[in-house]
Amino acid sequence: AQTVTQSQPEMSVQEAETVTLSCTYDTSESDYYLFWYKQPPSRQMILVIRQEAYKQQNATENRFSVNFQKAAKSFSLKISDSQLGDAAMYFCAYRSAYSGAGSYQLTFGKGTKLSVIP
Amino acid sequence: KAGVTQTPRYLIKTRGQQVTLSCSPISGHRSVSWYQQTPGQGLQFLFEYFSETQRNKGNFPGRFSGRQFSNSRSEMNVSTLELGDSALYLCASSLVSGTDEQFFGPGTRLTVL
Repeated sequence: AQTVTQSQPEMSVQEAETVTLSCTYDTSESDYYLFWYKQPPSRQMILVIRQEAYKQQNATENRFSVNFQKAAKSFSLKISDSQLGDAAMYFCAYRSAYSGAGSYQLTFGKGTKLSVIP
Repeated sequence: KAGVTQTPRYLIKTRGQQVTLSCSPISGHRSVSWYQQTPGQGLQFLFEYFSETQRNKGNFPGRFSGRQFSNSRSEMNVSTLELGDSALYLCASSLVSGTDEQFFGPGTRLTVL
């Protein structure tokens, strides 16, 4: 079974600064997808960024980028120019590219609570 | 396009009762997944439905069940509620699954007294 570990339960960053959230995972599969989801206090979970394991290039979405190290099974999220609206719980998630049972369930880490200091 | 909707948003029940939660996916989405979110266990996969068939189920007791209707709307049912069932229940929909993004609803907050 796959596991996802987020070792930082809480982090804080000054507005306009850069912060990096860590995520490691364990899998024996070679093809999979990794995601970062954001869950603001309103509770609606939204996708921030996704990475396909077979792509060596790190994904970027505006101020959000990842550092994907496949051999180290590491998938960190960098938020540049942090804004007050970035304050939320951030979850790292794994999904297999294979589906023996026909399902593509997400396996989540426990999350990192990010605070943005004005 | 309307997002994923879940009803009710909040629910209070007592131990031993049963509860039914509803999820309406984004129009055209055929896959619906359910997750339980608690402070202690985090987000855990409950089950996924596609074209009215359960494709997979997480490690939850048989008290947790679900179904999907022909319009892709899904319900989950929890019978004989226990205090530990208090959680935020999230529903996510996707077109077919696989490489498709999962879109989450706002969740149903269930409190068991």
